[in-house]
Order: sequence, then structure tokens, then C-alpha cells
Amino acid sequence: AQSVSQHNHHVILSEAASLELGCNYSYGGTVNLFWYVQYPGQHLQLLLKYFSGDPLVKGIKGFEAEFIKSKFSFNLRKPSVQWSDTAEYFCAVNPEGGSYIPTFGRGTSLIVHP
Amino acid sequence: GAVVSQHPSWVICKSGTSVKIECRSLDFQATTMFWYRQFPKQSLMLMATSNEGSKATYEQGVEKDKFLINHASLTLSTLTVTSAHPEDSSFYICSARDPGLAGGVDIQYFGAGTRLSVL
Repeated sequence: AQSVSQHNHHVILSEAASLELGCNYSYGGTVNLFWYVQYPGQHLQLLLKYFSGDPLVKGIKGFEAEFIKSKFSFNLRKPSVQWSDTAEYFCAVNPEGGSYIPTFGRGTSLIVHP
Repeated sequence: GAVVSQHPSWVICKSGTSVKIECRSLDFQATTMFWYRQFPKQSLMLMATSNEGSKATYEQGVEKDKFLINHASLTLSTLTVTSAHPEDSSFYICSARDPGLAGGVDIQYFGAGTRLSVL
């Protein structure tokens, strides 16, 4: 079974700082990768996804993630965070051709100070 | 994007009572819906997969008699927490799979969640 590890559980940044959230997964085959965001009091929303092609994926709100197959990683980045980026971020992995039920990481809580 | 509506958003109940949570896909037909439980500061734990017109598939360790799932139509799945106890207090989240996307790629859309507090 696959597993997902998010190493940063809590991140606190000032506005305009750069962000990188780590996500590593364990699975030997081809995977689909996701980042979800959960703003305070709201539901989980898809931030970006990778299925195939260019390993650098652009998402909404200026976020991007890079799939590095050799490192089993799918780190999330944003060059300049805003106060409104304060949220919980979840990485998820779904083996291609599998049961389309993604496995989630435990989440990273991001707080951005204005 | 597609919308999944979950109701109620918050429920408080007495120990021993049953609580029903509804999950609706508003603009697409969802043959498969999922129910998750989220503990504070932890990840989402899949409880069960709900398939329209058939029995739900429960994950290991989830009591099927405790958490009754019904997926009676292509747009509605319900989770009933029977004889709720304080340890059932948690945040329950549903999601619906939308298979009708270009390229046949599956995306899940999530409801806003239901916070259950059992006194």
C-alpha cells in the first residue's frame, strides 16, 4: 500500500516570503499526485494535480508543484505568500489504474502573518 | 468546478441518539462517493466507499453497523452514525468522484464537512 509523508506539520511565514511544502510518497509504480487546500471553515479544494507530462505543474492562486520521480517527491511552492494563503495543505497520492481513492498526507498547517 | 453539498455542517446530539449526514453532488452524477473522518491535526481517514445501488465498502476497523451508509441515487449518499457516543465526535467529510472529465481522469470533490459533537 502507498503512503504519503508531509514533513512540515506547521509552517509560519511572513507575507511575501517564499513557501515550499514537502511531500514524499512511497509507491513503486505510476502515480497521480494532488495538493488540496482547506481554508479555515471551508471544504477541501483541489489546488493542483499531476497525472502526466510536464513535471512542473501550475495550480491556482500562484501555486506550483514539481514532481521528481527519482525522489518520489511532489513539493508545493509559491514564490510570495499572502495572508490569505493561511490554510491547511494536504498532499495526496493515487496509484494510476488503482481504486481512485487517494491516500492523504497528514497535512501542513500554514500561517501567514500580515 | 463541481460542487458537493454536505448537510448539516454542525450537529450536537445526546449520547445514544443517531445522526444522519447527507452528501449531495449538485451538478454531476456520482456513482461513487467516499466518507472520511478527520481528527484534529490529523489527515483524512477513509471510512468507506459508497457505490450507488450497492453496499458500501468499509475500510478495516470501521464498524459497518455503527456507520450506516446508503447511496440510493446518483446524487445522494447518507452516513448515519447510530447510537452515537462521545468518542464518535469528529469531523466527517464526504467526497464524490466525477468520472466525466476529459481524458477520463478522476477528480474528487469534497463537501464542507460535518462537525459532530456527542454529549
